[in-house]
Amino acid sequence: AQSVTQLDSHVSVSEGTPVLLRCNYSSSYSPSLFWYVQHPNKGLQLLLKYTSAATLVKGINGFEAEFKKSETSFHLTKPSAHMSDAAEYFCVVSSLSGGYNKLIFGAGTRLAVHP
Amino acid sequence: KAGVTQTPRYLIKTRGQQVTLSCSPISGHRSVSWYQQTPGQGLQFLFEYFSETQRNKGNFPGRFSGRQFSNSRSEMNVSTLELGDSALYLCASSLPRENSYNEQFFGPGTRLTVL
Repeated sequence: AQSVTQLDSHVSVSEGTPVLLRCNYSSSYSPSLFWYVQHPNKGLQLLLKYTSAATLVKGINGFEAEFKKSETSFHLTKPSAHMSDAAEYFCVVSSLSGGYNKLIFGAGTRLAVHP
Repeated sequence: KAGVTQTPRYLIKTRGQQVTLSCSPISGHRSVSWYQQTPGQGLQFLFEYFSETQRNKGNFPGRFSGRQFSNSRSEMNVSTLELGDSALYLCASSLPRENSYNEQFFGPGTRLTVL
């Protein structure tokens, strides 16, 4: 079975400082992994995805994530936080069930950005 | 191209009532998935429909049901509402590719409050 664990429920950073949101996964085979962002009262937006190509994945808005199989991790980073980055972030693994995928979400990390 | 639309955006019901939520996928997308988001349980997969057939189902009671129409629009129904059904219900659409990851695009959700 596949699962993801987001190691921090809340992360607080100052504007202009780096962001690190941590995610560990569990999967019995090579996983597809994603990061989604959810702004207040909005739906989920895909930030980036890993599907067994390059291990360093670049996404939108300056975010990137590195797939590390040896550490079963898929941490999300951004060099410099912006106020507009304040949101909830979800690490997600795709589960192939019956040949078709469904998404399994982590519990989420709420990112606060202070001036 | 228009995104995924969900109606209504907000809904207030009382215990014991039933409710129907609607989702219109992105044009050309034939797979529709539903998710429930609550503060306690996070984001959980409800079910997925493709070509008017349910092909994937999460661990929810039979009070939760859905259907898909020939134009790919989907509805989900919750009967005999309970207080715990209060949640944000998200719909996502995707192109159906068997045995591979399908990027899912989310709507803004329907916020259901059960009193």
